[in-house]
Amino acid sequence: TQLLEQSPQFLSIQEGENLTVYCNSSSVFSSLQWYRQEPGEGPVLLVTVVTGGEVKKLKRLTFQFGDARKDSSLHITAAQPGDTGLYLCAGGTLEGGKLIFGQGTELSVKP
Amino acid sequence: NAGVTQTPKFQVLKTGQSMTLQCAQDMNHEYMSWYRQDPGMGLRLIHYSVGAGITDQGEVPNGYNVSRSTTEDFPLRLLSAAPSQTSVYFCASSYSWTSGEKLFFGSGTQLSVL
Repeated sequence: TQLLEQSPQFLSIQEGENLTVYCNSSSVFSSLQWYRQEPGEGPVLLVTVVTGGEVKKLKRLTFQFGDARKDSSLHITAAQPGDTGLYLCAGGTLEGGKLIFGQGTELSVKP
Repeated sequence: NAGVTQTPKFQVLKTGQSMTLQCAQDMNHEYMSWYRQDPGMGLRLIHYSVGAGITDQGEVPNGYNVSRSTTEDFPLRLLSAAPSQTSVYFCASSYSWTSGEKLFFGSGTQLSVL
């Protein structure tokens, strides 16, 4: 069974601080996605990375896929209250057809 | 486009009752899937389908049935509800089943089994 361990599970910070969320596995994934979910809604895709070592930036968010395609990180610079939400990483299996999700990181950014 | 539509939004069942959660998408997506979301456990795949007439099991399929008679619809059936099936259920679809495809999620069904 492929597992994705996400850390930390909860993060409460002040506006303007930086933070990093980690997503780790002992398995290789063909792709790694990050989703953001707000209360009462389904997750919404933020980014997809497919190449080992790949780095993608989305405004203040930086996503990295590990060289061995077993781990990923999400870094937020100068967090804002609008960044509050549940962040989920998800790995695409090599054979396709399945997306394995991490447990999620509940982020709260206080003004 | 409505995207992925799930009904109902909320449901309360008694142990042993059966029900069907509805999911429809209007994007002509090949791939559809059902997840359940429980606190501290992320989203777990129940069943998925790579096209009409084709379904397969995910990580936690026991107690659930699915069918895919059309491209648009992918209902999830609870045969005999149990308290352990209390959860939030999400339907999701994507253009294809290729790894890395963007998943579009519905807004979820909150199910309580008493």
